[in-house]
Amino acid sequence: NAGVMQNPRHLVRRRGQEARLRCSPMKGHSHVYWYRQLPEEGLKFMVYLQKENIIDESGMPKERFSAEFPKEGPSILRIQQVVRGDSAAYFCASSYQGVSAYEQYFGPGTRLTVT
Amino acid sequence: SQKIEQNSEALNIQEGKTATLTCNYTNYSPAYLQWYRQDPGRGPVFLLLIRENEKEKRKERLKVTFDTTLKQSLFHITASQPADSATYLCALHTGTASKLTFGTGTRLQVTL
Repeated sequence: NAGVMQNPRHLVRRRGQEARLRCSPMKGHSHVYWYRQLPEEGLKFMVYLQKENIIDESGMPKERFSAEFPKEGPSILRIQQVVRGDSAAYFCASSYQGVSAYEQYFGPGTRLTVT
Repeated sequence: SQKIEQNSEALNIQEGKTATLTCNYTNYSPAYLQWYRQDPGRGPVFLLLIRENEKEKRKERLKVTFDTTLKQSLFHITASQPADSATYLCALHTGTASKLTFGTGTRLQVTL
């Protein structure tokens, strides 16, 4: 049973380009979360999605960031017009039940470097 | 303001001893508290979950306590091994929120 998959593992973008990060949840999981981890900082919640719905985007910057989880295919976190401050590790997690006590299963992360 | 505090200094202990990590929180009323392990360059791995009405939870060499009066959780690893060396994160989940809020983690180093 494959775990949470993220790709690419490493992504380099120049300032002003778009970054597109993909996440495939564990089989049977329909809840996806995105977190950002800056060097020497903790994981910060960004957004929580279910299939075709954004449930909680309270941690998403208001501009340039968007996320989706279509009926078919992986969840996508999109960052438009990247800036140096967007350089971080982005982790996706999935769970079997969303608003619950269930543990979240994390992917290996995508490390974004903006040059 | 809301805060989750974990000891930012690394914890160094000798193999075979018990490691105890602390998680303190303020201005939260968490329904659940979780502990994760994170190795360098990898995503966090779930270890244990404890509910607000539970005082203690065990899993093999791991034990978690949850004191809602002190607003503190303690995470213990007994008979520690070098393979236990990692960063350990605590995370809060309030009953009505859909997200986990993480502490910054404590790095544990177990030496021979």
